[in-house]
Amino acid sequence: GAVVSQHPSRVICKSGTSVKIECRSLDFQATTMFWYRQFPKKSLMLMATSNEGSKATYEQGVEKDKFLINHASLTLSTLTVTSAHPEDSSFYICSARDLYEWDQTTGEQETQYFGPGTRLLVL
Amino acid sequence: KQEVTQIPAALSVPEGENLVLNCSFTDSAIYNLQWFRQDPGKGLTSLLLIQSSQREQTSGRLNASLDKSSGRSTLYIAASQPGDSATYLCAVRPQAGTASKLTFGTGTRLQVTL
Repeated sequence: GAVVSQHPSRVICKSGTSVKIECRSLDFQATTMFWYRQFPKKSLMLMATSNEGSKATYEQGVEKDKFLINHASLTLSTLTVTSAHPEDSSFYICSARDLYEWDQTTGEQETQYFGPGTRLLVL
Repeated sequence: KQEVTQIPAALSVPEGENLVLNCSFTDSAIYNLQWFRQDPGKGLTSLLLIQSSQREQTSGRLNASLDKSSGRSTLYIAASQPGDSATYLCAVRPQAGTASKLTFGTGTRLQVTL
């Protein structure tokens, strides 16, 4: 099946620094990728929808200048946490839909593939 | 705004038991519903996907049902095993389209004991 990777898997940084997280679709292409944030023992909260070649769409309450998203190719989206603070510590997960995987019955891209997540700790 | 709730929040059962996880959603106008498994500190693995026109889906020991009109879905796990221990999340997709976003439930943490 399709694989989504994230790098790094975990990162520790000092407060005030910026951290970049990469999300790659390894064996498929994706025009749309999604970035989620998950707090301990909580569910996933969608942060933004990353669109290849255009600006990301952010969910209400998510600071776009704080969480910079770049989707420069059909296989790579990056999330940069700028001027990170301890409250930004969290588990970040990305997902993607295969551009060429269409359900024959529904005509839709049914499956969303998730990365393994990146754990960020800001000291 | 769609809200997805899962009950119970945590569950511990002895190995071999059959169990049911519940998922409810407030807006019944959904395109599909999906069940995921998440191991601690890991990403998500898709288990079952049910289209809004379907009533249930089965995969091995797992059976998921959907009652869209009442806003409910259940995940039935037969003959539970310690390897089933994980957090189970349901997610609803409101509409078709590449950018259609999933809304996740609060999750059920399952522990299967020996």
